[in-house]
Amino acid sequence: DADVTQTPRNRITKTGKRIMLECSQTKGHDRMYWYRQDPGLGLRLIYYSFDVKDINKGEISDGYSVSRQAQAKFSLSLESAIPNQTALYFCATSAQGRGYTFGSGTRLTVV
Amino acid sequence: AQTVTQSQPEMSVQEAETVTLSCTYDTSESDYYLFWYKQPPSRQMILVIRQEAYKQQNATENRFSVNFQKAAKSFSLKISDSQLGDAAMYFCAYRSAWDSNYQLIWGAGTKLIIKP
Repeated sequence: DADVTQTPRNRITKTGKRIMLECSQTKGHDRMYWYRQDPGLGLRLIYYSFDVKDINKGEISDGYSVSRQAQAKFSLSLESAIPNQTALYFCATSAQGRGYTFGSGTRLTVV
Repeated sequence: AQTVTQSQPEMSVQEAETVTLSCTYDTSESDYYLFWYKQPPSRQMILVIRQEAYKQQNATENRFSVNFQKAAKSFSLKISDSQLGDAAMYFCAYRSAWDSNYQLIWGAGTKLIIKP
């Protein structure tokens, strides 16, 4: 099993729909992140969390919300999806002195 | 605020040759980490190499090595004996050693094409 698992792998949704992207990890890392990747822009941070009681906004949090249900689970929600939220979304984990471990990404298309 | 710049949107190299990908960064800090990540068409983000700023020795991982120039704020990645499997997007990233959030600052990426 992958260390960081994201579901779904691909998703097409309609404008205005609520959608949740899920992430779970077996690394035991305390820090978890949601990133968005757009062509030519690299990765941009949406939200991050230290533990279930700690949620922090990243640089592009508008239109998104998150929930840290447990140390191992961190989900991202789009309350009312819009076409410019079409992107590749990554969940990642990290621990002190280490780089990130990424999930395999969710490709979201909003039509 | 820290920034990371990858000035080469795309690079190509003949199989078995050597290629160098450029990365520069801007920071006022003296203690930090630098990373190169690879993203193949499978879209998985894979850590290629990691460098601690306090270490003068350049990091190496098999065919991958870096040229870390701290004063120039440059962190280039050299891939020797390029293989078809090296074709991917490569991202340079920075993390402050003092950031307890462990946030990474990312460059925009370089697409590496390997010619057979």
